[in-house]
Amino acid sequence: DAGITQSPRHKVTETGTPVTLRCHQTENHRYMYWYRQDPGHGLRLIHYSYGVKDTDKGEVSDGYSVSRSKTEDFLLTLESATSSQTSVYFCAISREDQPQHFGDGTRLSIL
Amino acid sequence: GESVGLHLPTLSVQEGDNSIINCAYSNSASDYFIWYKQESGKGPQFIIDIRSNMDKRQGQRVTVLLNKTVKHLSLQIAATQPGDSAVYFCAENAMGGSARQLTFGSGTQLTVLP
Repeated sequence: DAGITQSPRHKVTETGTPVTLRCHQTENHRYMYWYRQDPGHGLRLIHYSYGVKDTDKGEVSDGYSVSRSKTEDFLLTLESATSSQTSVYFCAISREDQPQHFGDGTRLSIL
Repeated sequence: GESVGLHLPTLSVQEGDNSIINCAYSNSASDYFIWYKQESGKGPQFIIDIRSNMDKRQGQRVTVLLNKTVKHLSLQIAATQPGDSAVYFCAENAMGGSARQLTFGSGTQLTVLP
């Protein structure tokens, strides 16, 4: 949707392993966001980016890091995955003062 | 703390009837509100938005009403169809840090009955 590709779409991994999720956009939007979605919590912001190499923390950033070396790519890394990070992760993009548009998510299970 | 919430977690309507989904917000600094629709296995899909200088905005079969006095937002869907069955989220968008940030409610599950 809206030129956003998330990869992988599904991943199962073990506690303590590093995990990187990728968001790729073809819209040349300035802003990119990572959210997680859990039952009973709606979507919560993890990190966002307002330009290449410009990132900031969201509401639930502990245990996550991000990088944006190109306009089109925004990476989310779990340095040492824990079971509490089992979730569905969504990437979103937006222009200045415009609604955010979301990808179709990555379902991550940490055993 | 500040929050966005929904009055009802589930809503069932007959096909062809109108649907009304409500949302309360508490951040008086929020000046932009968005409704999203999420189908199973997909990401949230933008439906309609409204800025705080308006109290009503219409789209195709959807209308959003904003009452700033009581901090209430509603989404009206006319002639509800089976394809409208989904979870609907309201989100308030306020400037925070270096970008506008969305705060989502927990969602309302809309079920359209035949």
